Amino acid sequence: DAGVIQSPRHEVTEMGQEVTLRCKPISGHNSLFWYRQTMMRGLELLIYFNNNVPIDDSGMPEDRFSAKMPNASFSTLKIQPSEPRDSAVYFCASSWGQGAYEQYFGPGTRLTVT
Amino acid sequence: AQSVAQPEDQVNVAEGNPLTVKCTYSVSGNPYLFWYVQYPNRGLQFLLKYITGDNLVKGSYGFEAEFNKSQTSFHLKKPSALVSDSALYFCAVRDMGGYSNDYKLSFGAGTTVTVRA
Repeated sequence: DAGVIQSPRHEVTEMGQEVTLRCKPISGHNSLFWYRQTMMRGLELLIYFNNNVPIDDSGMPEDRFSAKMPNASFSTLKIQPSEPRDSAVYFCASSWGQGAYEQYFGPGTRLTVT
Repeated sequence: AQSVAQPEDQVNVAEGNPLTVKCTYSVSGNPYLFWYVQYPNRGLQFLLKYITGDNLVKGSYGFEAEFNKSQTSFHLKKPSALVSDSALYFCAVRDMGGYSNDYKLSFGAGTTVTVRA
C-alpha cells in the first residue's frame, strides 16, 4: 500500500493567492482528517470526514479555509485568500472504522505564504 | 471532553539507557490511547495503542507502553534507547464514552527525545 499521499510537498505562495492542498487516503479507509502543525500551536485538527461527509469542522480557523471530499479517494483543503499566518505544515490522515483504529498520516505539505 | 498532557517538553538520555516518555489523559468514559512518533520533515507514524485487555502494550521498534487506569497514565518506554530513537513523540486519546460518530483524537503537545551517543 502506498500510504496516504499528499501533494504538493512544498508550496510557496504570495499573500492573497489561492492555495489548494490535495490528499489521497489509504484505499478502504473511510475517515479522513486534516491537521495543521506549527511550532507555536502544535498539532491542530482542522476538519474530518467520515464516509465523505464532513463531521466536524470546528477547527477550521476561518472562512478562508474550506475542505471537500468528493469521493472516497480524494480530498482537498483550500485557502483563499492565503495569509502569512497560514504558513505551516498541513497533514492529511486516514483511518478505518471507528475510534479504535489508528490514523495513518501523510508526509505533509509545507506551506509558506510570503 | 478528552485531553492529553505530556508534562515534559524534552527528554534526554544516553544510548543504551532506558527511555520513558510520560503521558496522562482525561476522559469521561474509557480511553483509547495511542502513541505516535514524528521524525524531522516526516508525518506522524503510529507506534502502539491501548484499547482493552493487557495493560502492557508492545509496539514497533521495541517500544512498549503501560496503561494505568488509577493514575490515568500511558507512559511510553523502551528498555535500551538508540540514537535513531531521537524524534518527537505524541500521545493521543479518544474517549470511548463520547458520541459514537466522533472519531477525533486529542493529541498532546509532544515530547522531543534526544538520545546521545
